[in-house]
Amino acid sequence: GEDVEQSLFLSVREGDSSVINCTYTDSSSTYLYWYKQEPGAGLQLLTYIFSNMDMKQDQRLTVLLNKKDKHLSLRIADTQTGDSAIYFCAEVPDSSYKLIFGSGTRLLVRP
Amino acid sequence: KAGVTQTPRYLIKTRGQQVTLSCSPISGHRSVSWYQQTPGQGLQFLFEYFSETQRNKGNFPGRFSGRQFSNSRSEMNVSTLELGDSALYLCASSLQHGTGGERNGYTFGSGTRLTVV
Repeated sequence: GEDVEQSLFLSVREGDSSVINCTYTDSSSTYLYWYKQEPGAGLQLLTYIFSNMDMKQDQRLTVLLNKKDKHLSLRIADTQTGDSAIYFCAEVPDSSYKLIFGSGTRLLVRP
Repeated sequence: KAGVTQTPRYLIKTRGQQVTLSCSPISGHRSVSWYQQTPGQGLQFLFEYFSETQRNKGNFPGRFSGRQFSNSRSEMNVSTLELGDSALYLCASSLQHGTGGERNGYTFGSGTRLTVV
């Protein structure tokens, strides 16, 4: 079945690292995404990873992929108050032409 | 270049009415998809169009329909509105196949917030 799971809430102190976890179900998904949503806004693509990669780094963002366990994580280094938002992971099952989203993780960054 | 444009941004309708939402994709993008976001159900896929053809449809009643024009602009329509249709409706465009990656990733608009009273 199609199901992407995420923890609902994460609170960190400014300057610390944040790690948001996600599990997905469809092994045919070629790409996996992380999106950010701020209040009242649409979805902003943060980064993506190709399924044959284990890790991708993009400035403060590091994505780790464990394909065997279908586990994806997003690490945000030096988390800032502006990083407070909801973060969604998503997969695109092969030939489906659709994103399947997790329920979102609300990240709260405390000063 | 301009992003994905959705109009209107906000809409208030009465139960039983119908509504049409519009989405203009990024210039050159041929795939347009629609999503419904609610607090209870999260982000759910409605449908996807490529070159005026619907390639996939989510699990929504027939009251939800869409279309894509030759210039890739898309509209979605909801007839006989129900209170439960209140949601943020998001449109995303993709360059070609919408299968992922840098060239085929999805760019989202800011959404249309529909309130049904």
